[in-house]
Amino acid sequence: DSGVTQTPKHLITATGQRVTLRCSPRSGDLSVYWYQQSLDQGLQFLIQYYNGEERAKGNILERFSAQQFPDLHSELNLSSLELGDSALYFCASSPRLASGGETQYFGPGTRLLVL
Amino acid sequence: GQQLNQSPQSMFIQEGEDVSMNCTSSSIFNTWLWYKQDPGEGPVLLIALYKAGELTSNGRLTAQFGITRKDSFLNISASIPSDVGIYFCAGIYGGSQGNLIFGKGTKLSVKP
Repeated sequence: DSGVTQTPKHLITATGQRVTLRCSPRSGDLSVYWYQQSLDQGLQFLIQYYNGEERAKGNILERFSAQQFPDLHSELNLSSLELGDSALYFCASSPRLASGGETQYFGPGTRLLVL
Repeated sequence: GQQLNQSPQSMFIQEGEDVSMNCTSSSIFNTWLWYKQDPGEGPVLLIALYKAGELTSNGRLTAQFGITRKDSFLNISASIPSDVGIYFCAGIYGGSQGNLIFGKGTKLSVKP
């Protein structure tokens, strides 16, 4: 158990809908990262938050957004969902900004299926 | 963007055999991490490497941070059936805010 929790574990929805994925980082970790894992693209970085502020963006679509709250949990919002958004979404956390070389610990993921 | 080339893509070995996989990049990385992922689960950290030339072990696993900082390898000795899974290398390169770049993974199958 990495200490990172994600809910829900599974999510099935229809195209055009909007969903929210939730992540609670390890106790004391200030950085939260979101990744998407699909069969064709592998694990791709989406966005990072550090202590409530957005710090880096990766391959995140404009239809997707995220935020980190004062209690450090984070939510990833996916809107106008398309079939191709079906994937595993992982949250990871680290104590500080990992640019100094800190490791990231991953949650169990949310499996999203868009029908 | 940054890319990591991980090889081999898959391996099918006999229990007890040693395994070796590696990742290379055209860019310099500050950190190399090796993760294992079981189906439907999140990646689990196996080994973290922070310095060029560093050699680190975790039980039967050994990983090294290449001297050029552009590559890393992971060895598994005396494989057992529970080693089955997908192994990913991941790196943090200079100038990033710490987001990981992942290799495509090596799928390991172990025959008892």
